[in-house]
Amino acid sequence: AQKVTQAQTEISVVEKEDVTLDCVYETRDTTYYLFWYKQPPSGELVFLIRRNSFDEQNEISGRYSWNFQKSTSSFNFTITASQVVDSAVYFCALMGEYGNKLVFGAGTILRVKS
Amino acid sequence: SAVISQKPSRDICQRGTSLTIQCQVDSQVTMMFWYRQQPGQSLTLIATANQGSEATYESGFVIDKFPISRPNLTFSTLTVSNMSPEDSSIYLCSVDMRAGELFFGEGSRLTVL
Repeated sequence: AQKVTQAQTEISVVEKEDVTLDCVYETRDTTYYLFWYKQPPSGELVFLIRRNSFDEQNEISGRYSWNFQKSTSSFNFTITASQVVDSAVYFCALMGEYGNKLVFGAGTILRVKS
Repeated sequence: SAVISQKPSRDICQRGTSLTIQCQVDSQVTMMFWYRQQPGQSLTLIATANQGSEATYESGFVIDKFPISRPNLTFSTLTVSNMSPEDSSIYLCSVDMRAGELFFGEGSRLTVL
């Protein structure tokens, strides 16, 4: 079975602080894909990143960075110098080797205060 | 990416009625997916809709309750039948653009009274 755990239900930070959102996954598949999505208060789901299981390189995109560690089955997401507009629910998700089904974590609510 | 449009964006419905949600994509896609997000919860896959075949439903979801149509490669509908307050959710359409990169529509927020 596949499972995604986002242990942090809610995080509050002050603007300009760095914040890391944790994601731990479980799968028996050799090949799999990990995703992060952002859901702002308006409700739409915004795709942030997809990483396949064979690529453990960390990725940086502007203020966003992702740390993929297969040894600990984690795919953590860091926002540097957070801004109020970063306030949203962030979902980590897993897709297995076969099919296109996404298994989502419970989500982490991020509140960035000015 | 893809432009995915859903209608309605939100609706308030009476118990016992049915509502059909439409999902339109600006390019042809093989696979379309319908997810449900109950209030304060994560997303759960309802079914996978392929053009030319019946939808494939996940455990806990049945065709009588959530009939799906997929008449062509750019369009799909999800009907929520005989609604109850427990069906109040955001329903999201998703498409697989290439090799597992899934994009979502803006969602349809249903409130059932």
